[in-house]
Amino acid sequence: NAGVTQTPKFQVLKTGQSMTLQCAQDMNHEYMSWYRQDPGMGLRLIHYSVGAGITDQGEVPNGYNVSRSTTEDFPLRLLSAAPSQTSVYFCASSRDTEAFFGQGTRLTVV
Amino acid sequence: AQSVTQLGSHVSVSEGALVLLRCNYSSSVPPYLFWYVQYPNQGLQLLLKYTSAATLVKGINGFEAEFKKSETSFHLTKPSAHMSDAAEYFCAVSDPLEYGNKLVFGAGTILRVKS
Repeated sequence: NAGVTQTPKFQVLKTGQSMTLQCAQDMNHEYMSWYRQDPGMGLRLIHYSVGAGITDQGEVPNGYNVSRSTTEDFPLRLLSAAPSQTSVYFCASSRDTEAFFGQGTRLTVV
Repeated sequence: AQSVTQLGSHVSVSEGALVLLRCNYSSSVPPYLFWYVQYPNQGLQLLLKYTSAATLVKGINGFEAEFKKSETSFHLTKPSAHMSDAAEYFCAVSDPLEYGNKLVFGAGTILRVKS
């Protein structure tokens, strides 16, 4: 059982480039979310989805887009990367009150 | 709005000593509360959760936490630290009235265990 799979694990981007962080879950969870983790700030919610076709903004959505065409997949798009988006990104899917996290994507924007 | 404060960004204990990691929350509704652990270069793993049942919650790896409404606290304890407990610990809160599981995290506490 794979759980939550994130790709890539590491990525370096130049300022202004765009990219998509992939997230897939095989647990048939309706709720999925993206967080970013920065030192001393914990994890902050970027976007979330309560089911296919339904997404909403979290605490820090600027500069990011999401879509949810299937239950399994919830990609996060960086439209024009900025150094402030250097972070570790975690995808999570939830059943009731328990969230299952992926291994993270470490993104550096230079 | 909900918020979480974790007192102490770094805590250092000796192997075999008591572990106490502090968490205070702010919420306009009775919340759900969680502790997660993160080992280096890994994702987060749920240690334990409070969802309005028993106020003393037992989790994995010998950890437990007590929900104290009057103190708005949910401190994490373990009687005897092991070297393998060295990790970063996050306290989180969610609103039971919201569908899904929108978590608000504290800043984290790095636990160091000395031999």
